[in-house]
Amino acid sequence: GENVEQHPSTLSVQEGDSAVIKCTYSDSASNYFPWYKQELGKRPQLIIDIRSNVGEKKDQRIAVTLNKTAKHFSLHITETQPEDSAVYFCAASISGQNFVFGPGTRLSVLP
Amino acid sequence: NAGVMQNPRHLVRRRGQEARLRCSPMKGHSHVYWYRQLPEEGLKFMVYLQKENIIDESGMPKERFSAEFPKEGPSILRIQQVVRGDSAAYFCASLAGTGGAEQYFGPGTRLTVT
Repeated sequence: GENVEQHPSTLSVQEGDSAVIKCTYSDSASNYFPWYKQELGKRPQLIIDIRSNVGEKKDQRIAVTLNKTAKHFSLHITETQPEDSAVYFCAASISGQNFVFGPGTRLSVLP
Repeated sequence: NAGVMQNPRHLVRRRGQEARLRCSPMKGHSHVYWYRQLPEEGLKFMVYLQKENIIDESGMPKERFSAEFPKEGPSILRIQQVVRGDSAAYFCASLAGTGGAEQYFGPGTRLTVT
């Protein structure tokens, strides 16, 4: 079955700097890769996603890149702000089924 | 995602009792996932349901746990004879199913077993 790894497990950056979180997956059939942000005590919220027919997607300060050959995808947050502090989860899915989540990255943005 | 409803938000049960968690998906969504999240850990898949059909229950323990999504009404995750290790946050997520892959999470039910 699918296995999703995520690194780093914790990440601290200075406000204004960029943050990068990387995930790898094992099942080449996976074709949908969402990223979720979860604040303490709250539900995971979808922040960006990418499908396997696209190599990069950007939404304001957030971007995701996908390398199908290497089976890895990354989340990039530019100009980080304190409100970006949260736990971020990547996931891999086959056409909206069989979602497998990474273990999460705790991002701290230091003022 | 505010449309995915879960209740109760907090549930306290004594060991041996039953816990029933409910999830109402977003309007127009016919597929529901259930996940379990332990403190400081990630989301673990439990079960994937379509109305009146269990599509994948490979992540759900075979004993004490069951799930359903009837034609009418919410999806229900049922835990019988709860033990302390069942204490966790249980999230459901809904998606449209046909064609759409985006899933949206409910606020979760925090189960505490005393």
